[in-house]
Amino acid sequence: NAGVTQTPKFQVLKTGQSMTLQCAQDMNHEYMSWYRQDPGMGLRLIHYSVGAGITDQGEVPNGYNVSRSTTEDFPLRLLSAAPSQTSVYFCASSYRLLGDYGYTFGSGTRLTVV
Amino acid sequence: GDSVTQMEGPVTLSEEAFLTINCTYTATGYPSLFWYVQYPGEGLQLLLKATKADDKGSNKGFEATYRKETTSFHLEKGSVQVSDSAVYFCALLTTSGTYKYIFGTGTRLKVLA
Repeated sequence: NAGVTQTPKFQVLKTGQSMTLQCAQDMNHEYMSWYRQDPGMGLRLIHYSVGAGITDQGEVPNGYNVSRSTTEDFPLRLLSAAPSQTSVYFCASSYRLLGDYGYTFGSGTRLTVV
Repeated sequence: GDSVTQMEGPVTLSEEAFLTINCTYTATGYPSLFWYVQYPGEGLQLLLKATKADDKGSNKGFEATYRKETTSFHLEKGSVQVSDSAVYFCALLTTSGTYKYIFGTGTRLKVLA
């Protein structure tokens, strides 16, 4: 199993550009989510999805959009990149949210906005 | 609201030393508790978990016990190795109201040979 695959691994954007961070999992997990990791702040939830066609906002959703058209894919779109969005982004999935399944994380996308 | 507090790092130890990384939580109801580990340049990996009071999670020589009376889930290992150098995250899954994961800020461990 490939687990959770994120692309790209690194990206540099100019302020105002848009882009999509890709996330795919092959474990038939219901629950998928996007986090950003910033120094001293741990992981903050951006958006999440409990199944295909269902998405919701996390604690820091502004400037990001998501969609979940299939169980496998959960792309994160940056609408108009800002320097404050410079971060490491992680996609994570879980069989179900409830229970002790825990998360499987992707290897991350390091994004720099200049 | 629900929260997780971890001891600040970095924690620097010599090889074969005893490790404790403190984690306390605030939550309503009965959350599930987790420890994740992040090696350099990688995503987080689930290290161990516990879902109810007095449960002990263990993996790769690491242990943590769910202590409801002290709202703690401290991570311990009897003898660390250089390969244990990483960032360790404590997390909880809330089980009342809106279900969600809450992560601590992480504790960096550096083990010296």
